[in-house]
Amino acid sequence: QSALTQPPSASGSPGQSVTISCTGTSSDVGDYNSVSWYQQHPGKAPKLMIYEVTKRPSGVPDRFSGSKFGNTASLTVSGLQAEDEADYYCSSYTTSSTLLFGGGTKVTV
Amino acid sequence: QVQLQESGPGLVKPSETLSLTCTVSGGSTNTYYWNWIRQPPGKGLEWIGYIYDSGGSGTANYNPSLWSRVTMSLDTSKNQFSLKLNSLTAADTAVYYCARYDLRRRFDYWGQGTLVTVSS
Repeated sequence: QSALTQPPSASGSPGQSVTISCTGTSSDVGDYNSVSWYQQHPGKAPKLMIYEVTKRPSGVPDRFSGSKFGNTASLTVSGLQAEDEADYYCSSYTTSSTLLFGGGTKVTV
Repeated sequence: QVQLQESGPGLVKPSETLSLTCTVSGGSTNTYYWNWIRQPPGKGLEWIGYIYDSGGSGTANYNPSLWSRVTMSLDTSKNQFSLKLNSLTAADTAVYYCARYDLRRRFDYWGQGTLVTVSS
């Protein structure tokens, strides 16, 4: 199975918005509403930011939002803040009952 | 609050077998999917596999690229699950995380990660 495709980098100024894409296939991203997004700061474990494509866990700012169209999911961070600078990974369940991660996107603020 | 903690050797020799254990506290391992995920230095996350309790025994599913070298086990009496990865090479050097995947299809709890270096 191939990793989900994410752009290697994205950037924005404080207060601006940045959107990260995550492209898969009809066997993963396109088949389930099981896309989730994770934020990882250097030396730390990943942190869940979005699940089931659009839902935010409690404690995650509403500046973070998710969407999906076809085989591509997206994470948007609005009102960028310095602490949003991190690596972001998407993940999806697959029709083979396995799990996939994207290659990761480094967001620079 | 659910907590996960990885344990195992930090240094393993090439061709040998890596053994790691994840201890779960604040929750039970007889539900949910229990996962191993790794991250080579400076690189992205790679899912290794998961195991879940299927009524007294564990049922596992592995990343197809690793399945020939991976074995996972589950001990619900100890609230632990384990990973064995054989025929190690330098490419297996990574931070290894254990994580819970729940019914909402999300990795909601993670261990802090443990660095495993494969070197003679």
